[in-house]
Amino acid sequence: GAVVSQHPSWVICKSGTSVKIECRSLDFQATTMFWYRQFPKQSLMLMATSNEGSKATYEQGVEKDKFLINHASLTLSTLTVTSAHPEDSSFYICSAHWGGTDTQYFGPGTRLTVL
Amino acid sequence: LAKTTQPISMDSYEGQEVNITCSHNNIATNDYITWYQQFPSQGPRFIIQGYKTKVTNEVASLFIPADRKSSTLSLPRVSLSDTAVYYCLVGDNNNDMRFGAGTRLTVKP
Repeated sequence: GAVVSQHPSWVICKSGTSVKIECRSLDFQATTMFWYRQFPKQSLMLMATSNEGSKATYEQGVEKDKFLINHASLTLSTLTVTSAHPEDSSFYICSAHWGGTDTQYFGPGTRLTVL
Repeated sequence: LAKTTQPISMDSYEGQEVNITCSHNNIATNDYITWYQQFPSQGPRFIIQGYKTKVTNEVASLFIPADRKSSTLSLPRVSLSDTAVYYCLVGDNNNDMRFGAGTRLTVKP
């Protein structure tokens, strides 16, 4: 149990376009989901905390108008990278909090490459 | 500032026991200690979680002293496939789940 999926697993886009990444909790309801970004050889950096039905809380330095987060249901959160630029190329990972064991479970990640 | 401090890297050999220690001097009363394993280009995988004393599961043990200011992840008899980055997280899982730098474990034959 406690499986989190992400779609797509990788995406390549042109500079200036927008990309949407989905994060789903497959076998549990997640009231809280987290979005992280990871650059090569670095640790995960928390971008935002997303609670179902409310606005996401963004970490300092993360532009909320550029990284749009929607958490419309207890099993789905989306991250949209708007007007993507090459510096947005990174590995994006979501996680979902499963209250049953008070543990976070992570998705497999999405590799974004902006040309 | 990161809430946790771990060694940047460790080397071991197949079959040995590996202990990775994490310092978390400012741990709060409600915080749990959770360890994750990450392979390249994959999301972190949950290993073990504890609050105090000792926790053991099928893959690892977690030792937490009484003051909870540190914790030690113990991996028995590591294999080459245990080469990965190991992260210690401290939090209550509802917020403030920030990763430290992690420990890069290399298991050699």
